[in-house]
Amino acid sequence: QSALTQSPSASGSPGQSVTISCTGTSSDVGGYNYVSWYQQHPGKAPKLMIYEVSKRPSGVPDRFSGSKSGNTASLTVSGLQAEDEADYYCSSYAGSNTWVFGGGTKVTVL
Amino acid sequence: QVQLVQSGAEVRKPGSSVKVSCRTSGGTFTSFVLSWVRQAPGQGLEWMGGIIPILGKANYAQKFQGRVTITAAESTSTAYMELSSLRSEDTAVYYCARVFRQQLVLGDWGQGTPVTVSS
Repeated sequence: QSALTQSPSASGSPGQSVTISCTGTSSDVGGYNYVSWYQQHPGKAPKLMIYEVSKRPSGVPDRFSGSKSGNTASLTVSGLQAEDEADYYCSSYAGSNTWVFGGGTKVTVL
Repeated sequence: QVQLVQSGAEVRKPGSSVKVSCRTSGGTFTSFVLSWVRQAPGQGLEWMGGIIPILGKANYAQKFQGRVTITAAESTSTAYMELSSLRSEDTAVYYCARVFRQQLVLGDWGQGTPVTVSS
């Protein structure tokens, strides 16, 4: 149960797009279409932004989109806004009622 | 709307145990799948284990096997996570989360419980 791999940081100017990647293995990301993404602001609980690779919960702006290819999933935030500055974590179902998370990516809005 | 409300901050000495509670409301507790996730200061999220209350069956991440016990009380719609043999590295915020069973995603989260391990 190794953590998924995310780049530590990403940045973009307001209005631009930023893409975060999340690499796992065939036992998690590559083996299931149950990849999710969470946004976390300092001192707050994680908030679900994407589930099942590319679906958005009600209330999440369509600026947030997800995709997957093989063992790597991606989250794209388009039209960056100041409030998008946060830590983002990917997660994947890993079978037998277990889950694994990525190390997190800090997104900075320049 | 399901809500998860966790117990308050804890301070423990190394070698001791801590038990954190997660009270749920707004749903049918026996239909839930609940997980526990922790986050050390400045670090990422780490899945610890989970429980299916209706089965009373818990499973744990390999890293925590033997040191964590997750239980559930149907009468109070509350889940518990007990971590023993505490060390300073266990200082973290501990979250409970409800799994959306169809989507296999941790969808609803508690507010978090800070646990500090210090002599």
